[in-house]
Amino acid sequence: NAGVTQTPKFQVLKTGQSMTLQCAQDMNHNSMYWYRQDPGMGLRLIYYSASEGTTDKGEVPNGYNVSRLNKREFSLRLESAAPSQTSVYFCASRQLGGTGVSYEQYFGPGTRLTVT
Amino acid sequence: AQSVTQPDIHITVSEGASLELRCNYSYGATPYLFWYVQSPGQGLQLLLKYFSGDTLVQGIKGFEAEFKRSQSSFNLRKPSVHWSDAAEYFCAVLLPYNNNDMRFGAGTRLTVKP
Repeated sequence: NAGVTQTPKFQVLKTGQSMTLQCAQDMNHNSMYWYRQDPGMGLRLIYYSASEGTTDKGEVPNGYNVSRLNKREFSLRLESAAPSQTSVYFCASRQLGGTGVSYEQYFGPGTRLTVT
Repeated sequence: AQSVTQPDIHITVSEGASLELRCNYSYGATPYLFWYVQSPGQGLQLLLKYFSGDTLVQGIKGFEAEFKRSQSSFNLRKPSVHWSDAAEYFCAVLLPYNNNDMRFGAGTRLTVKP
């Protein structure tokens, strides 16, 4: 049981390049989240997927797109990276609804992204 | 503006001393409240949570937190800090009108002196 996994762990991009951050969970959770963490600002929600087939914007969605590929996987795409997107990105999941409702989010180890 | 505030950016305590980390929120309704801990280079781990009921909640690793509605606060405490508690601590709230939208404080970095 690996929990929430993220790839890659580190990435350096040049301005204008694109990339996709991958996230997978093996806890059969129906809700998944993408956050960014910047010094002095805590974590901020970028996008979330409350259930398979749905996605919604969070607090800071500009410059990002997401795909909920299936119940396990939720990817975050930067189409044209900018230096302001230099950050640590965390994926999280939790069970919302059904018989195992929990408000606890389980976090992945993070992806450290630098855009030069 | 609605927010989660952790007034202390950095706290240093001696090993064995007591600890209190402060958290205040400013939302109209009482949200669900959480404390997470993050060790360097790691993801976040839940320490404890408050939804309703007893305002003093116990968590893992000997931590506890007290919810005070009148002060809109949810402070984290530990009676005796261990060197392994050195980490960053985040207070978080789950918004009452959207339980997918979790808001975090800026974090408090804890240093433990030997």
